[in-house]
Amino acid sequence: KAGVTQTPRYLIKTRGQQVTLSCSPISGHRSVSWYQQTPGQGLQFLFEYFSETQRNKGNFPGRFSGRQFSNSRSEMNVSTLELGDSALYLCASRKTSGGRNNEQFFGPGTRLTVL
Amino acid sequence: KNEVEQSPQNLTAQEGEFITINCSYSVGISALHWLQQHPGGGIVSLFMLSSGKKKHGRLIATINIQEKHSSLHITASHPRDSAVYICPATYSDKVIFGPGTSLSVIP
Repeated sequence: KAGVTQTPRYLIKTRGQQVTLSCSPISGHRSVSWYQQTPGQGLQFLFEYFSETQRNKGNFPGRFSGRQFSNSRSEMNVSTLELGDSALYLCASRKTSGGRNNEQFFGPGTRLTVL
Repeated sequence: KNEVEQSPQNLTAQEGEFITINCSYSVGISALHWLQQHPGGGIVSLFMLSSGKKKHGRLIATINIQEKHSSLHITASHPRDSAVYICPATYSDKVIFGPGTSLSVIP
């Protein structure tokens, strides 16, 4: 079956703009998590959505938000972009939220550059 | 202080060598993953462990819950194994990533 897909793969924005990234999970997976990877901070957890509800949230400012649709696809939005938001944004899906033997599958990522 | 530590930070090995990468975590977890990230950013999930040992091809992952420690072993290493290996630990309400181990396998 198809893996986790993310669109777009690459994106260039300027400071102050806003951006929306999309993630389509593996069919049958209802949990989608978002992560940010920067050279300085490594991989950091942004938030997790399950059944259209945010379940967990990392330590990021309110400019970072997300949502999940009834088909489990998720979008992540960043408003008022800053240079430091330049990063690789990864999403991962799994069948449910939490629990054991609940493997995450990662998408290829969206590389965002803020100029 | 990062609650997930990895060692070594960087590792260079000759092709064919047996490689071990270590991951330790500070408090109880529900699962620990091993990820492989190649240059360019693509991430591959290698293993998810909550106990015991898993094997896939030349890769073996073990976890010791009592010692809060996991290891990733690569047998008969190959240059295509060159990548960054990351261990994220899943807690009840968050995921914390290790800093990564950069592996370079030389022909």
